[in-house]
Amino acid sequence: DAGVIQSPRHEVTEMGQEVTLRCKPISGHDYLFWYRQTMMRGLELLIYFNNNVPIDDSGMPEDRFSAKMPNASFSTLKIQPSEPRDSAVYFCASSFPDLPGYTFGSGTRLTVV
Amino acid sequence: GENVEQHPSTLSVQEGDSAVIKCTYSDSASNYFPWYKQELGKGPQLIIDIRSNVGEKKDQRIAVTLNKTAKHFSLHITETQPEDSAVYFCAAVNNDMRFGAGTRLTVKP
Repeated sequence: DAGVIQSPRHEVTEMGQEVTLRCKPISGHDYLFWYRQTMMRGLELLIYFNNNVPIDDSGMPEDRFSAKMPNASFSTLKIQPSEPRDSAVYFCASSFPDLPGYTFGSGTRLTVV
Repeated sequence: GENVEQHPSTLSVQEGDSAVIKCTYSDSASNYFPWYKQELGKGPQLIIDIRSNVGEKKDQRIAVTLNKTAKHFSLHITETQPEDSAVYFCAAVNNDMRFGAGTRLTVKP
């Protein structure tokens, strides 16, 4: 298995633009998580899905953030409009329900200028 | 919700020495405690984990201990090597995973 695949690896965008981050979880994993990592706040859980259904989105910082999982092999995290304070590394992770060790992707480094 | 505290934030040791990182958690319902290693430019990678019904687990040079009563757990790395240098995160899991703030470990050759 290729692991959790995220794209793009790097994204630089201007303030006010829409940004879409993509994630392909490991095949067979029922859970998918989106995390944001910054120096100031560390690793923050934004939202997680179970069997494509959003379970907890209490970590989503604002209405500008939205996440979808249209099928078991694909998820998106969208920021619209983006702001400089959204600059961070965004990680996607997936896991089996009975083996809670998460597998993380390589992350997307987002820079909003 | 769960709150995980991790100490120290930075740790520097000489090659061959041991390193210990400590974490505490707040939610007594948490039942799984993984440790992750993150190298520069990469995502966190699981290195060892422990479930709440176990007090200690060892894998080669790495060991983890858990004290459920006190709600704290620790990572022990023995015979450290320069390639152990990275940021280490502890985490606690109930329904989802909450991470500590991380410890930057530097192993000097």
